[in-house]
Amino acid sequence: EAQVTQNPRYLITVTGKKLTVTCSQNMNHEYMSWYRQDPGLGLRQIYYSMNVEVTDKGDVPEGYKVSRKEKRNFPLILESPSPNQTSLYFCASRARVSGSGYNEQFFGPGTRLTVL
Amino acid sequence: QKEVEQDPGPLSVPEGAIVSLNCTYSNSAFQYFMWYRQYSRKGPELLMYTYSSGNKEDGRFTAQVDKSSKYISLFIRDSQPSDSATYLCAMSRGYGQNFVFGPGTRLSVLP
Repeated sequence: EAQVTQNPRYLITVTGKKLTVTCSQNMNHEYMSWYRQDPGLGLRQIYYSMNVEVTDKGDVPEGYKVSRKEKRNFPLILESPSPNQTSLYFCASRARVSGSGYNEQFFGPGTRLTVL
Repeated sequence: QKEVEQDPGPLSVPEGAIVSLNCTYSNSAFQYFMWYRQYSRKGPELLMYTYSSGNKEDGRFTAQVDKSSKYISLFIRDSQPSDSATYLCAMSRGYGQNFVFGPGTRLSVLP
């Protein structure tokens, strides 16, 4: 089954304790990204990657890091989490856009993070 | 002013009603317009997309884009309780360009 998986699904942590949220896709997609979803603000992009070893900042990158060492994996790293990073996080992937079509973006199931 | 605005709801309608969901945007460079449906505790899933202005129909769903007014709509005919979800609009400037999402409208269809 084609899918994007994230782990963990739920995480409660304390301020300053480094954490990693993993994301993996089995569709051989080039493009992957991370979003956070907050009430009233919708989905905001944190970081994205156009391919292996190519990453770039989205709209709200402060306090986050990513890496793309393999095509299928795109972990999100919070080096020193703070309470304002409490949110619902989604990983997404899609194939590289080409021609005149549109390639659907597939989302993972989400990771609910609480930072105390 | 936010780049994409959407009434957060919640919107409650009886089963069988026609539902109209809307977004307005400020950036005239947007060309691709999407509607996503998000069930509780799930990730968003693509419902429909349109390129530039016009209408697109898929079963009970119709998407409309009016670029002159910077306004997009999603209509749901014969709404069902299974349509109860949050509906997110999203748009992008072009190929490979990042998406900008609206905050979502929560819809409840009551049996």
